[in-house]
Amino acid sequence: GDSVTQMEGPVTLSEEAFLTINCTYTATGYPSLFWYVQYPGEGLQLLLKATKADDKGSNKGFEATYRKETTSFHLEKGSVQVSDSAVYFCALSDNYGQNFVFGPGTRLSVLP
Amino acid sequence: GAVVSQHPSWVICKSGTSVKIECRSLDFQATTMFWYRQFPKQSLMLMATSNEGSKATYEQGVEKDKFLINHASLTLSTLTVTSAHPEDSSFYICSEASSYNEQFFGPGTRLTVL
Repeated sequence: GDSVTQMEGPVTLSEEAFLTINCTYTATGYPSLFWYVQYPGEGLQLLLKATKADDKGSNKGFEATYRKETTSFHLEKGSVQVSDSAVYFCALSDNYGQNFVFGPGTRLSVLP
Repeated sequence: GAVVSQHPSWVICKSGTSVKIECRSLDFQATTMFWYRQFPKQSLMLMATSNEGSKATYEQGVEKDKFLINHASLTLSTLTVTSAHPEDSSFYICSEASSYNEQFFGPGTRLTVL
């Protein structure tokens, strides 16, 4: 079945450092790819998404590019802030917005 | 995006009691809603797909008689944890599917069973 793998956390960075969280997937067909963020005690918020190969999703300084050849969707941000501390989930879905599969999540802590 | 609310946001109950969690779509008519369970420091696990006006579809290993799902209207789905036990303590999150192949998540309900 479909699956999503993320880099192990926790990730601890200093403010203004560069962030990369790796995500790779296995899927049949052509899934849509997502990054969700979960702040402490809250539900998931969509951070960005890409629906086809070579698409780049971006939001709040975060970016991720849908790489079909490497089946990857790595999350990057050039300069993290303390407020970015959260758990980040990579996910995929079929093209009907259903059958979501989540990665295990990567906890990010940004220190001032 | 769509706005999804959950109620209550936090509940503590005694072992053996039942707890109902509501999931409301505030600005979108959702024919399909999803219920997830999240253990501490773990990812979301899909429990069931809730379909308006019909029976929910449960994932393998999820007891349908323990986790009762009702989706009586296009804006409300409920999850009832029957005869709750401490191992049912978890964070329960609902979501709705939009027409743009993404899901919008509620804020979650933390259940603690004593």
